[in-house]
Amino acid sequence: EAGVAQSPRYKIIEKRQSVAFWCNPISGHATLYWYQQILGQGPKLLIQFQNNGVVDDSQLPKDRFSAERLKGVDSTLKIQPAKLEDSAVYLCASQGLSSGRDSYNEQFFGPGTRLTVL
Amino acid sequence: GNSVTQMEGPVTLSEEAFLTINCTYTATGYPSLFWYVQYPGEGLQLLLKATKADDKGSNKGFEATYRKETTSFHLEKGSVQVSDSAVYFCALSRGSTLGRLYFGRGTQLTVWP
Repeated sequence: EAGVAQSPRYKIIEKRQSVAFWCNPISGHATLYWYQQILGQGPKLLIQFQNNGVVDDSQLPKDRFSAERLKGVDSTLKIQPAKLEDSAVYLCASQGLSSGRDSYNEQFFGPGTRLTVL
Repeated sequence: GNSVTQMEGPVTLSEEAFLTINCTYTATGYPSLFWYVQYPGEGLQLLLKATKADDKGSNKGFEATYRKETTSFHLEKGSVQVSDSAVYFCALSRGSTLGRLYFGRGTQLTVWP
């Protein structure tokens, strides 16, 4: 089974520029997450999709960050304009639907995109 | 709110030493608890999980027990190997099935031969 794919793996931009990240989840996974992992910290949720609808975007800085999941499959995360503090690894994870009341469906993570803002 | 606190690293051990990485949590309701591992150059992988109090998660010789009375989920391994060198993250989810993960800061483990 193919894992979660992300691209690019690395990106270097200058502040105030724009950048976009792409994620292709595991086939059939309805739930997709974007996390931001700043160096030395644990990942923090930016946005959660269920199919193509947003479930939780309370932590997304909406003045500069946007995300979409057209057709409920691939997703893109965009930053416009970027700030120095956006330097981080951006992780995409996908999760299938529960198969039972007491079961937990694992979140599978992609390799991440490392963004450096100069 | 929901949060996870784990012991700061780095942790450096000799091969075959005993490992403990402490993790405590704050959560509303009845969270599920996880340990994720990130090997050098790789993505996050689920190491083990426990979805209710007193459950013990185990995998690859690692164990952790969900202690509701102490709100803890400490990771242990009786004899570490060089190949266990990685960053370990404790995490919680509010639900037992779907839902976002709340991560700790991570603990870097280095095992020397």
